[in-house]
Amino acid sequence: AAGVIQSPRHLIKEKRETATLKCYPIPRHDTVYWYQQGPGQDPQFLISFYEKMQSDKGSIPDRFSAQQFSDYHSELNMSSLELGDSALYFCASSPVAPRPQETQYFGPGTRLLVL
Amino acid sequence: DAKTTQPPSMDCAEGRAANLPCNHSTISGNEYVYWYRQIHSQGPQYIIHGLKNNETNEMASLIITEDRKSSTLILPHATLRDTAVYYCIVRVSFQGGTSYGKLTFGQGTILTVHP
Repeated sequence: AAGVIQSPRHLIKEKRETATLKCYPIPRHDTVYWYQQGPGQDPQFLISFYEKMQSDKGSIPDRFSAQQFSDYHSELNMSSLELGDSALYFCASSPVAPRPQETQYFGPGTRLLVL
Repeated sequence: DAKTTQPPSMDCAEGRAANLPCNHSTISGNEYVYWYRQIHSQGPQYIIHGLKNNETNEMASLIITEDRKSSTLILPHATLRDTAVYYCIVRVSFQGGTSYGKLTFGQGTILTVHP
């Protein structure tokens, strides 16, 4: 079965650089979520999109922005990178149906290292 | 979303049943209990979810108490590959035209399955 695809899988950036993470949801999934997991921490919700509109927002820094495109893929844009942004970034998607018991399926993550 | 409490760690012998408890005493009537697990730095994996009835799938069983204040995830025949962090998450279901689907990960239980 198709899974959530994230690219790149690994990314190394310098401080103050920008990074773009991409997420391709499972086909026919209309909702995308982004989570950040710092070293030794639990995943923390950043932001979500439902039918290409932002649906919820968590503790996402103002330096980060995201969007969902017409083909439902999503991109997380991170600017002015800081050392503390080094983390695993997971994308998850959930299907159109059944509601209300939507289940999120996670991608393998992008490991970002900021030097 | 309701807060959950899980033991920080548990051990289980290979081939035996693993019973992972979760306390969610402040759960509301419209909140589901979800279980996810994360195997070392991989994306969290959905296991099972339920509202008030016991549930079973190919991976596990979920037992929810009648008052819904606690639940137990049962892995009937644990294997070494079940070693992971198990998260019990309580969240409100999808409502109307907006997704409230963010997952709030707590501390989780580190399950170690040993030979």
